[in-house]
Amino acid sequence: DAKTTQPNSMESNEEEPVHLPCNHSTISGTDYIHWYRQLPSQGPEYVIHGLTSNVNNRMASLAIAEDRKSSTLILHRATLRDAAVYYCILRARFGNEKLTFGTGTRLTIIP
Amino acid sequence: EPEVTQTPSHQVTQMGQEVILRCVPISNHLYFYWYRQILGQKVEFLVSFYNNEISEKSEIFDDQFSVERPDGSNFTLKIRSTKLEDSAMYFCASSAQGFSTDTQYFGPGTRLTVL
Repeated sequence: DAKTTQPNSMESNEEEPVHLPCNHSTISGTDYIHWYRQLPSQGPEYVIHGLTSNVNNRMASLAIAEDRKSSTLILHRATLRDAAVYYCILRARFGNEKLTFGTGTRLTIIP
Repeated sequence: EPEVTQTPSHQVTQMGQEVILRCVPISNHLYFYWYRQILGQKVEFLVSFYNNEISEKSEIFDDQFSVERPDGSNFTLKIRSTKLEDSAMYFCASSAQGFSTDTQYFGPGTRLTVL
């Protein structure tokens, strides 16, 4: 699986936008970019995924660089409940069922 | 909203004992997974299961581990002879299909403590 690189930790103020970066310079043309998060003492939870175009859902937005070597997860208005470890995961288009988690970014929200 | 459930939430066992961790995946899902997370470490894939067969397993999933779908709803992970290093959170997950675009839904986990 292609490797992703994320900052170990980030802090953000409550009710402000948060931009979580992910580098994936070895991404292949058919790899999907997925984001999951893990709230304290819980199992991982799906956030969003995309291939080439930017994506929005009720939880977040995903901005994908034109060369696809990096992406940014955007939480538009962080709440205390968004404090979690965020994982950027690449999944090959064919024949890859499992999720390969890295160390992720631990997001702290400051009230 | 449908969710994956796991029992027990916490299991304490003696080294060398067998344990069975139970999961009820989302009812119309076809793919099932077990992951584990040792305290302070990454979430690690153990095994995926489809059509009553293991479809992929990691190096961690050795002969001491087995999985089973004994009926239409439960999915179990058995560890035959537990070791101290098996102490971890074990997460079950399920997905509708096994495609790379499919969301995997995780349960809340079972904390296994081996003494």
